[in-house]
Amino acid sequence: AQSVAQPEDQVNVAEGNPLTVKCTYSVSGNPYLFWYVQYPNRGLQFLLKYITGDNLVKGSYGFEAEFNKSQTSFHLKKPSALVSDSALYFCAVRGALLGGKLIFGQGTELSVKP
Amino acid sequence: EPEVTQTPSHQVTQMGQEVILRCVPISNHLYFYWYRQILGQKVEFLVSFYNNEISEKSEIFDDQFSVERPDGSNFTLKIRSTKLEDSAMYFCASSEGGAGNSPLHFGNGTRLTVT
Repeated sequence: AQSVAQPEDQVNVAEGNPLTVKCTYSVSGNPYLFWYVQYPNRGLQFLLKYITGDNLVKGSYGFEAEFNKSQTSFHLKKPSALVSDSALYFCAVRGALLGGKLIFGQGTELSVKP
Repeated sequence: EPEVTQTPSHQVTQMGQEVILRCVPISNHLYFYWYRQILGQKVEFLVSFYNNEISEKSEIFDDQFSVERPDGSNFTLKIRSTKLEDSAMYFCASSEGGAGNSPLHFGNGTRLTVT
């Protein structure tokens, strides 16, 4: 069974500093991994995905994610955090079955302070 | 950019009443999903739908729930007799393809409050 885990409920970062939001996964077969962001009272916005190829994936709003097969991790990163990045971030894995569902981690609240 | 739209944004209902949550997926998408999120918690899968039938459903999606694509554009979630614990944010999503590399696109959700 596929699953993802986000070990941190909350991450606090000062504006301008690099940020990392952690995610580990468990899948059978090739992993299809995603990051989504949720702003207050909004839906989930797609940030980026890993399918195959380069281990560093670039996405929206300057975010990137590093895929590490040996550590089964897919951490979200940004070199310089903005206050406007403060939101709830979800890591997700999509099943290999055609039309398969997206399975979410429990989410990490990112707070960027000025 | 095309988006998934959901109506209403907020629905208040009394326990035992039926509710229908409506969604218009992105027009060229073929796979449709409902998820729910209880007050900022984990996003939980309810059901997936393709080719006019349910592909997969979770244990949450019991006989009180049903989905329908009544025409070429709408995708609805019906809760037959609401319970207090059905209070949550309900998200509709769609994807163009069914392969694992195709992201799901989500609507802004309907906040359901059962009193």
